[in-house]
Amino acid sequence: GDSVTQMEGPVTLSEEAFLTINCTYTATGYPSLFWYVQYPGEGLQLLLKATKADDKGSNKGFEATYRKETTSFHLEKGSVQVSDSAVYFCALGIQGAQKLVFGQGTRLTINP
Amino acid sequence: DGGITQSPKYLFRKEGQNVTLSCEQNLNHDAMYWYRQDPGQGLRLIYYSQIVNDFQKGDIAEGYSVSREKKESFPLTVTSAQKNPTAFYLCASSSSFGTGKYFGPGTRLTVT
Repeated sequence: GDSVTQMEGPVTLSEEAFLTINCTYTATGYPSLFWYVQYPGEGLQLLLKATKADDKGSNKGFEATYRKETTSFHLEKGSVQVSDSAVYFCALGIQGAQKLVFGQGTRLTINP
Repeated sequence: DGGITQSPKYLFRKEGQNVTLSCEQNLNHDAMYWYRQDPGQGLRLIYYSQIVNDFQKGDIAEGYSVSREKKESFPLTVTSAQKNPTAFYLCASSSSFGTGKYFGPGTRLTVT
């Protein structure tokens, strides 16, 4: 079945450090891939997405490239800020399917 | 501003009582969804609806019920049959089935 695996957290970094959160997936079709962010006590916000192989999604300094050969969609940011502290979810969706399949989430804490 | 409203933010109930969680969207989205989030886990789909007066069970529908009488509203009832109702409940909507979803701020339900 379809599944998403994220690197386990929590991840703790210092401000201005480089961030990578790994995400790999298993899917039977041609999924779209998403990163969502959840700030404390809030719902999820769509951070970025990519709908086909080699697409790069980007937003707020975050980037992720849809790699079909490695079935990966790793999230990266060159210089993190304290305000980036949140839980990040990788997810896949099959066009026409009724649900997103989520990874378990990675909690990120950025220290000043 | 368009968005998804969930109310209340926190809800407390005694065991054995049914409780209804509200979800309203003014995005003119056709599809709406209910997810459940438990600590340290990803989101799991409870119910979804593609159009008014139609809804389908997700992965964990037992003990829950929904209605979709209006396009903008998709209330979720947590019944006394739900064995572990304490969780964070997230409502989402999308412009078409399977596309990226917009999430509400969530309702944290505690049943004692």
